[in-house]
Amino acid sequence: AQSVSQHNHHVILSEAASLELGCNYSYGGTVNLFWYVQYPGQHLQLLLKYFSGDPLVKGIKGFEAEFIKSKFSFNLRKPSVQWSDTAEYFCAVNNKIKAAGNKLTFGGGTRVLVKP
Amino acid sequence: ETGVTQTPRHLVMGMTNKKSLKCEQHLGHNAMYWYKQSAKKPLELMFVYSLEERVENNSVPSRFSPECPNSSHLFLHLHTLQPEDSALYLCASSQEPLAAYNEQFFGPGTRLTVL
Repeated sequence: AQSVSQHNHHVILSEAASLELGCNYSYGGTVNLFWYVQYPGQHLQLLLKYFSGDPLVKGIKGFEAEFIKSKFSFNLRKPSVQWSDTAEYFCAVNNKIKAAGNKLTFGGGTRVLVKP
Repeated sequence: ETGVTQTPRHLVMGMTNKKSLKCEQHLGHNAMYWYKQSAKKPLELMFVYSLEERVENNSVPSRFSPECPNSSHLFLHLHTLQPEDSALYLCASSQEPLAAYNEQFFGPGTRLTVL
């Protein structure tokens, strides 16, 4: 069974600081990788995703993530955060094999608080 | 607004009650999902429906009974729940049911409290 772990449960930082959130997954096959974000009072929404090609993917709002296959990692980064980046961030994976369908396995989430 | 709506947003029920959660998607998608988000636990997939047929039951107890009458509507019927079933229940939808690369669009969730 696949699993996803996010190393930090809570992160507090100041505006303009750099952010990096760790995500590691455990699965023997090939996977698709996702980062979802949930802003306060809002629904979960997709931040970025990796399926194939360039392992460095860019998403909305200046976020990027790097897939390192050898480390089973998909860390999320943003060079300079804003107060509006305060949210909970979720890493997720699914099995690339078509027969497995679109079944996401989520990490536990990381709550990020950006102080103005 | 993602195009996925859920009602009610909050529900309090006793262990002997029967209630239903409703999800509706306005995106023309063919797949719908129920997830459970408990405190201090990762989001867990419960059920997957593809073209109105259930394709996944992730070892969910029978006190949770899903229903998908058409591709736009998904229900979760609840009966004789336990307090540990208190959680946020999220609905999601996506295009092309078996395509793992498709983004899932989530609703706002129903916050369920079982007394």
